[in-house]
Amino acid sequence: NAGVTQTPKFRVLKTGQSMTLLCAQDMNHEYMYWYRQDPGMGLRLIHYSVGEGTTAKGEVPDGYNVSRLKKQNFLLGLESAAPSQTSVYFCASSYSTSVWTEQFFGPGTRLTVL
Amino acid sequence: GENVEQHPSTLSVQEGDSAVIKCTYSDSASNYFPWYKQELGKRPQLIIDIRSNVGEKKDQRIAVTLNKTAKHFSLHITETQPEDSAVYFCAASLSGSARQLTFGSGTQLTVLP
Repeated sequence: NAGVTQTPKFRVLKTGQSMTLLCAQDMNHEYMYWYRQDPGMGLRLIHYSVGEGTTAKGEVPDGYNVSRLKKQNFLLGLESAAPSQTSVYFCASSYSTSVWTEQFFGPGTRLTVL
Repeated sequence: GENVEQHPSTLSVQEGDSAVIKCTYSDSASNYFPWYKQELGKRPQLIIDIRSNVGEKKDQRIAVTLNKTAKHFSLHITETQPEDSAVYFCAASLSGSARQLTFGSGTQLTVLP
């Protein structure tokens, strides 16, 4: 049981390049989330998904796109990377129950945009 | 939307002393308040959470208190140990069905031996 995994762990991009971050979970969770973490700003929600084939915008969605083609995978895309997108990206997932449950986080992807 | 403020941003305590981190939130509809611990270079991990129908919850050396009227909640760590050194994040739930959380900006706790 690997939990939540993220690929890649590190990446350096040049301004204008594109890339996709992959999140995978093996806990059969319905809900999945993408956050970015910047110094002094905590975790900010980029996009989220409440189930296969659904996505929605979070607090800071501009410059990112997402897809949830399979229940276990949640992809985050940067179409044209900018230096402001230099950050650590965390994926998380949780159950869809009637009460709140824990969000399980992946190990993170450190992205640098030059 | 929800706004969560967390204080202090840094906290140093002597080993064995207590540490208290405080958060305030803005949305009176929030009903779930988790605390996450993040060690350097690692992922955030849940250490304790509290729901709005409870005023206090304790798990060994860690406790969380909630004051819904004042819209603030606090994390209390007693008998601190060097391994408690980490960044701690509070969070509050957003109303809606997607179980979204708004996080505070974090507190760097350092336990001095």
